[in-house]
Amino acid sequence: GAVVSQHPSRVICKSGTSVKIECRSLDFQATTMFWYRQFPKQSLMLMATSNEGSKATYEQGVEKDKFLINHASLTLSTLTVTSAHPEDSSFYICSARGTRHYNEQFFGPGTRLTVL
Amino acid sequence: DQQVKQNSPSLSVQEGRISILNCDYTNSMFDYFLWYKKYPAEGPTFLISISSIKDKNEDGRFTVFLNKSAKHLSLHIVPSQPGDSAVYFCAANNTNAGKSTFGDGTTLTVKP
Repeated sequence: GAVVSQHPSRVICKSGTSVKIECRSLDFQATTMFWYRQFPKQSLMLMATSNEGSKATYEQGVEKDKFLINHASLTLSTLTVTSAHPEDSSFYICSARGTRHYNEQFFGPGTRLTVL
Repeated sequence: DQQVKQNSPSLSVQEGRISILNCDYTNSMFDYFLWYKKYPAEGPTFLISISSIKDKNEDGRFTVFLNKSAKHLSLHIVPSQPGDSAVYFCAANNTNAGKSTFGDGTTLTVKP
């Protein structure tokens, strides 16, 4: 149980275009979803926290107009990178948390974004 | 200000020996701690956790120790296996805040 999927696993796009990444909890209801970005030196940076049906809470330094997060249902959250630039190239990982295991996050497999 | 620190970016251990990964934190409001394991190009997977009311939790080859007074926790893996080679992240929760704070990770290499 507690499986989280991400789609796509890998995306290459041109500079200036927008890219949408989906995060789904497959076998549980995710009351909260988190979006992370992993930098080359391996640290996980929390970008934002989203609760179903409400606006996402962004961490300091993360542009909310650039990284649009929608958590419209208990099983789906999306991250849209708008007007992507090469510096947005990174590994984006989502995680989900349900009500049964409140302290534990279940991570998706990640999405590798490359902006040309 | 980094609230969760894993001071060793890497650790190399011989197969069969003990691996000890360390984690320090500064926020006394943290009340739950977790270790995650991550392989390249994959998301982290939960390994083991401990509540602040305990000082030890054991699950098979994995044991987590918590020293609240020192604000320090460690993950022991014994015996270490080559398949344990991965990046290990320490995470700390303030349950009221509802989110985890992660360390930078330690890359463990277990040599056959």
